[in-house]
Amino acid sequence: DIQMTQSPSSLSASIGDRVTITCRASQSISSYLNWYQQKPGKAPKVLIYVASNLQSGVPSRFSGSGSGTDFTLTISSLQPEDFATYYCQQSYSAPQVTFGQGTKLEIK
Amino acid sequence: QVQLQQWGAGLLKPSETLSLTCTVYGVSFSGYYWSWIRQSPGKGLEWIGEINHSGSTNYNPSLKSRVTILVDTSENQFSLKLSSVTAADTAVYYCARKTGGSSSFFWFDPWGQGTLVTVSS
Repeated sequence: DIQMTQSPSSLSASIGDRVTITCRASQSISSYLNWYQQKPGKAPKVLIYVASNLQSGVPSRFSGSGSGTDFTLTISSLQPEDFATYYCQQSYSAPQVTFGQGTKLEIK
Repeated sequence: QVQLQQWGAGLLKPSETLSLTCTVYGVSFSGYYWSWIRQSPGKGLEWIGEINHSGSTNYNPSLKSRVTILVDTSENQFSLKLSSVTAADTAVYYCARKTGGSSSFFWFDPWGQGTLVTVSS
């Protein structure tokens, strides 16, 4: 199985901050990496697909980059609605996919 | 607008069979793979398996011996059965559509609302 490791596991930040979350794969996954946002009691929602493509309707303050084993999700200027848990997910080893353990973004 | 609505029993005893159904609204069932994913505090998000309109399935090897995913295209529904459940199967279960293109070029969108399944004697 391809293991996905996110860092940090949790993060405190303020409104307006620039935030970066990292996801590392245990082997190269090319660009087959997606990012999701999950709020309490809700299903995950895709933000970025295939490493750097912004899902329709997602604010442009979200961006993704990376390839191979190292990927980042960046929020350029935190808004109140961005406080949530973020997950990466690799699709390289389809059909079996694996998710990172999550990064909880909290208000400082 | 594509919507997935899921339902099923939320409380099971050990050794029973988990059964969940997901109905798809707003899009043709064919042309996609439809997935089940679960989320537990201990194991995080875990892909269970998938099915397409013709009944072709793929399962997570770690669960394959206990999982069956079925499709009913006349009702735009697919279902999950997980046999011989234990406390380790306690989780929120989600259905989701595999969206995108070929082999590895995909993501999950949209998702169902989730169903908490608790296994307890």
